[in-house]
Amino acid sequence: DTEVTQTPKHLVMGMTNKKSLKCEQHMGHRAMYWYKQKAKKPPELMFVYSYEKLSINESVPSRFSPECPNSSLLNLHLHALQPEDSALYLCASSQDFSGQGGETQYFGPGTRLLVL
Amino acid sequence: AQSVAQPEDQVNVAEGNPLTVKCTYSVSGNPYLFWYVQYPNRGLQFLLKYITGDNLVKGSYGFEAEFNKSQTSFHLKKPSALVSDSALYFCAVSSLTTNAGKSTFGDGTTLTVKP
Repeated sequence: DTEVTQTPKHLVMGMTNKKSLKCEQHMGHRAMYWYKQKAKKPPELMFVYSYEKLSINESVPSRFSPECPNSSLLNLHLHALQPEDSALYLCASSQDFSGQGGETQYFGPGTRLLVL
Repeated sequence: AQSVAQPEDQVNVAEGNPLTVKCTYSVSGNPYLFWYVQYPNRGLQFLLKYITGDNLVKGSYGFEAEFNKSQTSFHLKKPSALVSDSALYFCAVSSLTTNAGKSTFGDGTTLTVKP
């Protein structure tokens, strides 16, 4: 099973709302990622978790708060977002993240977020 | 620094014809190279990767890519295109010595296969 699932598929939120995106994988992978993708653009890395610990934060604004409750789950908590944060948010996982490159990432279908 | 260039925003090909989607890269040290495909309203899907060894890599759905170290290229190919191959294709690179192992993606190439 090479499936990464994400919920919800779509989310509309106001700038004062608090919401969460969820991601789950059952491949036994120990690394999980959050990406932001604008239409027809490459995905932009936001966070990497390795063995449930935050390994990489690509200077993401604090209105995005990641959480990795266990090795299968990854959340992204959203608060006080701006309209420019509207995008497709992709979760991915890989067997591990060594910092040495070469890991194949498996992506979920994404959550399409609209901030009004 | 590492970078990936996909010189063509759009590639159009007739069904049944061979297709090529181009990718060149720049890294310090040995590259790990990937191709991903993204269908509309979906996440990225892994197609194939080059780590080491044979320069010709075969992947999913009949795709293959050839690693050319002297030209720093990793072009994606398929002998006979299908309409269902129409999608957005991303080349990506990572390496041991650059960018803390993180992948760098190209800007993407939209492939359209016409019946």
